[in-house]
Amino acid sequence: KNQVEQSPQSLIILEGKNCTLQCNYTVSPFSNLRWYKQDTGRGPVSLTIMTFSENTKSNGRYTATLDADTKQSSLHITASQLSDSASYICVVAGGNNRLAFGKGNQVVVIP
Amino acid sequence: DVKVTQSSRYLVKRTGEKVFLECVQDMDHENMFWYRQDPGLGLRLIYFSYDVKMKEKGDIPEGYSVSREKKERFSLILESASTNQTSMYLCASSFHRGGNQPQHFGDGTRLSIL
Repeated sequence: KNQVEQSPQSLIILEGKNCTLQCNYTVSPFSNLRWYKQDTGRGPVSLTIMTFSENTKSNGRYTATLDADTKQSSLHITASQLSDSASYICVVAGGNNRLAFGKGNQVVVIP
Repeated sequence: DVKVTQSSRYLVKRTGEKVFLECVQDMDHENMFWYRQDPGLGLRLIYFSYDVKMKEKGDIPEGYSVSREKKERFSLILESASTNQTSMYLCASSFHRGGNQPQHFGDGTRLSIL
C-alpha cells in the first residue's frame, strides 16, 4: 500500500486562478515532508521542506501547509501561470530518512 | 546552483547488453541516489550511497548494481538489460546523511531496451 496518496490525480485550471493539491500520508515516524515540481522531460525540483513543527511554508506563489496530527499536507498555487503546468510530487521522509514518494498531481494551466 | 548531470538524455540498448548510466554532481554532496520513474508508479529507489565505495539497496535493486569510486560520480549498471527495465532513470544527490536537506535531481535518462 502506498504510504503517500495525492489527489486529485490531475486537474486543469485557467491561467490566473488558484488551486490546491492534497497529500495524505501514513509514514511513521515522521521526519519531514517535501513538495517537488517536475516539468515534462526534466527532473524534480524542490519547492518546500517542512518538519514536524512547521505548519506552513511559502516559496513565491507556492504555499505548502502541514497538519502532522491528521497527516495531511496541501500545496496551494496562487494566480497560476502557464509555467505552473507540471507534476507536483509529495515526498515524506520517515524516521530512518528513507523517502516515500507520492505519484504526483498533474496540473495543466490553460490560457 | 547545484548541478546534477546525467550522461545521456536518451539511450537505446538491446536485451542482454550491459548498460552503464553515469551521474556526476558538482556540489560535494555525500549522498547520491538512483531512481526509476514509471507512469502510475512514481519514483522508486534502486540504490543509494552515503560515501565513496559505499552502497545500499533501495526498494527495487534486482537486476541493477552501482559503483561509487569518486565522491562526485555515481554509476548505475544494468548487468543484463531486459525489456522491463525500459524506464526513466533519475539520479539525485544531497548533503549528509539524515537531516532536512533537499535532493537535487538530474534531468533523467530515458532508457529503452529493445
